[in-house]
Amino acid sequence: AQSVTQPDIHITVSEGASLELRCNYSYGATPYLFWYVQSPGQGLQLLLKYFSGDTLVQGIKGFEAEFKRSQSSFNLRKPSVHWSDAAEYFCAVGANDKIIFGKGTRLHILP
Amino acid sequence: KAGVTQTPRYLIKTRGQQVTLSCSPISGHRSVSWYQQTPGQGLQFLFEYFSETQRNKGNFPGRFSGRQFSNSRSEMNVSTLELGDSALYLCASSLAGQRGGELFFGEGSRLTVL
Repeated sequence: AQSVTQPDIHITVSEGASLELRCNYSYGATPYLFWYVQSPGQGLQLLLKYFSGDTLVQGIKGFEAEFKRSQSSFNLRKPSVHWSDAAEYFCAVGANDKIIFGKGTRLHILP
Repeated sequence: KAGVTQTPRYLIKTRGQQVTLSCSPISGHRSVSWYQQTPGQGLQFLFEYFSETQRNKGNFPGRFSGRQFSNSRSEMNVSTLELGDSALYLCASSLAGQRGGELFFGEGSRLTVL
């Protein structure tokens, strides 16, 4: 069965600094990969997705993610964070007719 | 285009009661998935309905059930509530559903069991 690991429960960065959130997955083949963001009191919003093709994927709000098959990773990056990026971020894997979510990484932004 | 609508947004129940949550998907979406979100477990998949049929389910006890109507609206029911059922219940609609489609989430129904 597929699984998703987000090793960082909390991450704190200063506004304007770069960001990388880690995601590792376990699955025998290449799964569908997603990053979602959840602001307080809200549902989840899709940031970006990878199905196939170019391994560097651009998303909304200036986010990007890179699929690395050799490392079974799909890390999320942003070159310069804004205070409004403070939220919880979820990596997800789609395979075997299920989309499984990681436990999330809460991002805190220092002014 | 209206988003996914979940009702009620908040509710409080006592142990042993039952609860029904409703989800109206985005127009044209035939797949509705339900997730339970708790601080300790994250998002856990409950089940998916597609065109009124349960297409997949997670590892939850039989107290958790759902259904989907011909207009794609879905309900989930939890019977004999336990304290541990306190959670945010999220509904997500999709064109392709759990088979690789993008999920569009509602804001959730927050259930507190006392």
